Amino acid sequence: DSGVTQTPKHLITATGQRVTLRCSPRSGDLSVYWYQQSLDQGLQFLIQYYNGEERAKGNILERFSAQQFPDLHSELNLSSLELGDSALYFCASSPGADTQYFGPGTRLTVL
Amino acid sequence: GEDVEQSLFLSVREGDSSVINCTYTDSSSTYLYWYKQEPGAGLQLLTYIFSNMDMKQDQRLTVLLNKKDKHLSLRIADTQTGDSAIYFCAERRPAAGNKLTFGGGTRVLVKP
Repeated sequence: DSGVTQTPKHLITATGQRVTLRCSPRSGDLSVYWYQQSLDQGLQFLIQYYNGEERAKGNILERFSAQQFPDLHSELNLSSLELGDSALYFCASSPGADTQYFGPGTRLTVL
Repeated sequence: GEDVEQSLFLSVREGDSSVINCTYTDSSSTYLYWYKQEPGAGLQLLTYIFSNMDMKQDQRLTVLLNKKDKHLSLRIADTQTGDSAIYFCAERRPAAGNKLTFGGGTRVLVKP
């Protein structure tokens, strides 16, 4: 158990819908990262927050957005969902610059 | 993953050593990592090595880094059936906000 929690574990929704994925980092970790794992793209970095502020952006679509709240939990919002958005979404947290600990992931299925 | 390459599959007999290889391209990478993913599970950090080191050993795991060739390997001694999983190598790029760039993963199958 990495100490990073993600909810929900599974999410099934329809095209065009909007969903919110939630992540609670390890106690004391200020950095939160979001990654997408899909069969065709592999593991791709989406976005990073540090203490509430966006720090780095990766291959994140404009339909996707994220935020980190004062209690350090983070949410990833996915809107206008398409079939190709079906994937595993991971959150990771980091105590510093050297290690990232991953949560169990949220499996999103778009029908 | 972009620019980080791994072989797709490795089959090994229980009790033998496994060696998983990885090549990366960004010479500015400061840390290199090995993660393990079991079916239906998240990514478990196995070990990592700082770029100024050549080798790191942690129980059954040995990481070798050849910075000149940008080659990273993970050796698992006395491989067990519980080691069957997908193994990902990843590099951290400070210039890219410390994001991790992952390889495509190597599926390791341990046969009894």
